[in-house]
Amino acid sequence: AQSVAQPEDQVNVAEGNPLTVKCTYSVSGNPYLFWYVQYPNRGLQFLLKYITGDNLVKGSYGFEAEFNKSQTSFHLKKPSALVSDSALYFCAVLGGSQGNLIFGKGTKLSVKP
Amino acid sequence: DVKVTQSSRYLVKRTGEKVFLECVQDMDHENMFWYRQDPGLGLRLIYFSYDVKMKEKGDIPEGYSVSREKKERFSLILESASTNQTSMYLCASSYRLLAGGNEQFFGPGTRLTVL
Repeated sequence: AQSVAQPEDQVNVAEGNPLTVKCTYSVSGNPYLFWYVQYPNRGLQFLLKYITGDNLVKGSYGFEAEFNKSQTSFHLKKPSALVSDSALYFCAVLGGSQGNLIFGKGTKLSVKP
Repeated sequence: DVKVTQSSRYLVKRTGEKVFLECVQDMDHENMFWYRQDPGLGLRLIYFSYDVKMKEKGDIPEGYSVSREKKERFSLILESASTNQTSMYLCASSYRLLAGGNEQFFGPGTRLTVL
């Protein structure tokens, strides 16, 4: 069965520092991986996805993610964090042939000035 | 821009009431989804639909049903609301899976409280 894990409930970063939000996956076959962000009292917004090709995927708001097949990871990164990046981040994997996604439990990112 | 709208942002209902949550998308997406979001549990799929009148159970369908009579509208029904259905409900839509991995677009959510 497909699954993703986000090992950290919360990540704290100082503004201007690089940030990493971790995600590991378990799939049979090729993984299709996604990152979403949720700001307070809002729905989820798509950030980026990995389907195939380059292991470094660039997305919205300056975020990028690195696909690592040997470590079965898909960590979200940003070189310089902003206070406005504070939000809940979800990693997801394609769960089936009809397009349903399986989400991780989410990681709360807090960026302090 | 894709727009997914949900009929209510906040809803308060009483135990035993029948509750309808409506979702409409304007991008002609084939797929539509209903999730519930609870702290520490992430998003859990309740039901999804890949075509009009078609539905598939997700991970937690018990106590819920759905209806998709038109392509743009997907309704979630709580036949007899219970307090353990107090949650944030998120609707999403996407194109049908092609080469793999069409991203889902989410509505703003409905926070349902069952008293």
